[in-house]
Amino acid sequence: EPEVTQTPSHQVTQMGQEVILRCVPISNHLYFYWYRQILGQKVEFLVSFYNNEISEKSEIFDDQFSVERPDGSNFTLKIRSTKLEDSAMYFCASSDGTGLTDTQYFGPGTRLTVL
Amino acid sequence: QKEVEQNSGPLSVPEGAIASLNCTYSDRGSQSFFWYRQYSGKSPELIMFIYSNGDKEDGRFTAQLNKASQYVSLLIRDSQPSDSATYLCAVNPMDSNYQLIWGAGTKLIIKP
Repeated sequence: EPEVTQTPSHQVTQMGQEVILRCVPISNHLYFYWYRQILGQKVEFLVSFYNNEISEKSEIFDDQFSVERPDGSNFTLKIRSTKLEDSAMYFCASSDGTGLTDTQYFGPGTRLTVL
Repeated sequence: QKEVEQNSGPLSVPEGAIASLNCTYSDRGSQSFFWYRQYSGKSPELIMFIYSNGDKEDGRFTAQLNKASQYVSLLIRDSQPSDSATYLCAVNPMDSNYQLIWGAGTKLIIKP
């Protein structure tokens, strides 16, 4: 069964450093998403991406964040200058964009720890 | 501010019984509603979605939607210990085609 994959599973970084989180969405899906979940808190939407551009973004997704689809398979989230409060699980998801029945499938997540 | 509310639990249910999980949402124009299951330290796993008023059944799971009351529920029949997890309600709001607004989840414990 096709699945979303994410690398690395755990990333430890120093405050102020740049990190890139990588995702390979399900191959025939057209819509890609990043969510984050701070430990013990709700899942929060960051950004959606379609046709090589951002479709929607939340207030969390400020100038320190960027997304890219560098090739036909990978989808990346870059955090330019990490802060302590960026420590969270980051989930990538993808969907095929079928309207009301469109469902998002999640990858296993990357745990980001900012020291 | 769009909100999705769930009772945090824990909800404790004997094995074999019916577990009932509830969710309310604030955006009356919300279009699609999703139930995900999340085991500790893992990613959300889709259980089912619903977008029409009424009931939708899939195996041991039944989703119920009442748009007038802005209420969606999930029933799990013949609960198994492996159903013990946090159940997340997610809603696609009216003004978005893409993002999901999430509840904080209900922790379900199935007691053998």
